[in-house]
Amino acid sequence: QLVQSGAEVKKPGESLKISCKGSGYNFPNFWIAWVRQTPGKGLEWMASIFPDNSQTRYSPSFQGQVTISADKSTSTAYLQWHSLKASDTGMFYCAILWMAPNYYFDVWGQGTLVTVSS
Amino acid sequence: QSALTQPASVSGSPGQSVTISCTGTSTDVGSYSLVSWYQQHPGKAPKLMIFMVTKRPSGVSSRFSGSKSGNTASLTISGLQPEDEADYYCCSYVGGTTIVAFGGGTRLTVL
Repeated sequence: QLVQSGAEVKKPGESLKISCKGSGYNFPNFWIAWVRQTPGKGLEWMASIFPDNSQTRYSPSFQGQVTISADKSTSTAYLQWHSLKASDTGMFYCAILWMAPNYYFDVWGQGTLVTVSS
Repeated sequence: QSALTQPASVSGSPGQSVTISCTGTSTDVGSYSLVSWYQQHPGKAPKLMIFMVTKRPSGVSSRFSGSKSGNTASLTISGLQPEDEADYYCCSYVGGTTIVAFGGGTRLTVL
C-alpha cells in the first residue's frame, strides 16, 4: 500500500515536500507517479520515478515546477516545490505506475491536499 | 482541457447497463491498446477498474468491462448497483514526453 503525508496549508513563495511511503511490495522496482487533481483540470500526471536508479520522467506541464525524488532505504517517494503559487493548490496522489508495455496506475495513496493561499 | 473527451454525466437505474465513452485521436487511443479506467467515490482516491482496454484487476467485479473501437474506448457497467455511483476517468498512453493523459471524468448517477 501507499501512505501519504498529511494536508498542508502554505503561503505563496514557500517551499513544500510531501511524501508517499510504500509497503508490502518491492518498492525500488516499481515506478511511482504523482498525479494532481483539481476541480478545473481533473486528473493530471505530473512526474514519475523509478526508485532503484532514480530515473525520472516529467510531464512537460510540470517540468521545472516540481521535483520528484525517492529514498530506497525508507521506501518513500517525495514531491517538492521550491516556491509555491496559488495555482499549485490541489489534491495530490501518488500511485504505482506500470510503465512499458502496460501504462496504468495500479495502487493509489490516499491523497494529500495542498492549499496555497495568502 | 483534457486530452481525452468523456461525457460529463451518465445515469441509469439499478439493474440496467450504462456505457461511458472516452474519445481520443489516432495518435493515442487509436494507436495503442493502453486505455485504463478508474472509479472515484467522493473523498476517495481513484481505483483501477480496467487496464489495457479490456483487462480487469483481481477483485474488480465482472460487471465492469472495457472495449475500444477506432479512437474511442468504452467502459460498460452491467447490472448497475447503487455503489457504482461515482466518477469514472479514462486514461491512455499518448507517447512522447507526456506519456499518459486522462479524460475529464464522467459522473455516473444511479437513479
